[in-house]
Amino acid sequence: EPEVTQTPSHQVTQMGQEVILRCVPISNHLYFYWYRQILGQKVEFLVSFYNNEISEKSEIFDDQFSVERPDGSNFTLKIRSTKLEDSAMYFCASSRPPSGGTQYFGPGTRLTVL
Amino acid sequence: AQSVTQLGSHVSVSEGALVLLRCNYSSSVPPYLFWYVQYPNQGLQLLLKYTTGATLVKGINGFEAEFKKSETSFHLTKPSAHMSDAAEYFCAVSLGMEYGNKLVFGAGTILRVKS
Repeated sequence: EPEVTQTPSHQVTQMGQEVILRCVPISNHLYFYWYRQILGQKVEFLVSFYNNEISEKSEIFDDQFSVERPDGSNFTLKIRSTKLEDSAMYFCASSRPPSGGTQYFGPGTRLTVL
Repeated sequence: AQSVTQLGSHVSVSEGALVLLRCNYSSSVPPYLFWYVQYPNQGLQLLLKYTTGATLVKGINGFEAEFKKSETSFHLTKPSAHMSDAAEYFCAVSLGMEYGNKLVFGAGTILRVKS
């Protein structure tokens, strides 16, 4: 069964450093998403991406964040200058149209900012 | 804007007992509704979803949920709990592609199953 994969599973970085989280969505999916879950809190939407552009983003997704689909298979989330409060589990997801299509989640990347 | 409220951050049931996890939502347009389960150190797995049509939806592992528009609810039930059902359960709402298909999650309910 196809699945969403994410690398790395754990990332430790120093405050102010740039990190790139990588995801390989399910191959015939067209919508891609990033969510995060701070320890003990709810899962929060960051951004959705369709047709090579952002289709929706939350207020969390400020100028420090960017997404890219560099090569037709990977989907990346970049955080330019990490802050302590960026420490969280980051989940990638993908889905097919139409509306209400099931989003399939990856196992997550745990980001720790020191 | 949409939001989801899950009543009860922790629910404890005995093995074999009924499981009832509550979810209420608010939405400006007809929503799509989902229940996801998260086992420790794993990602989110879809249990079931409501898009259109029949309001009682059946999912994996014997779970089902009923969409009640008048009550803005989508409660999750299972007739008989199993030890393997112990996990965290998230209710989520989406307004569809017009809103980027984003999922808005509730705070989650941790289900404990006692032997």
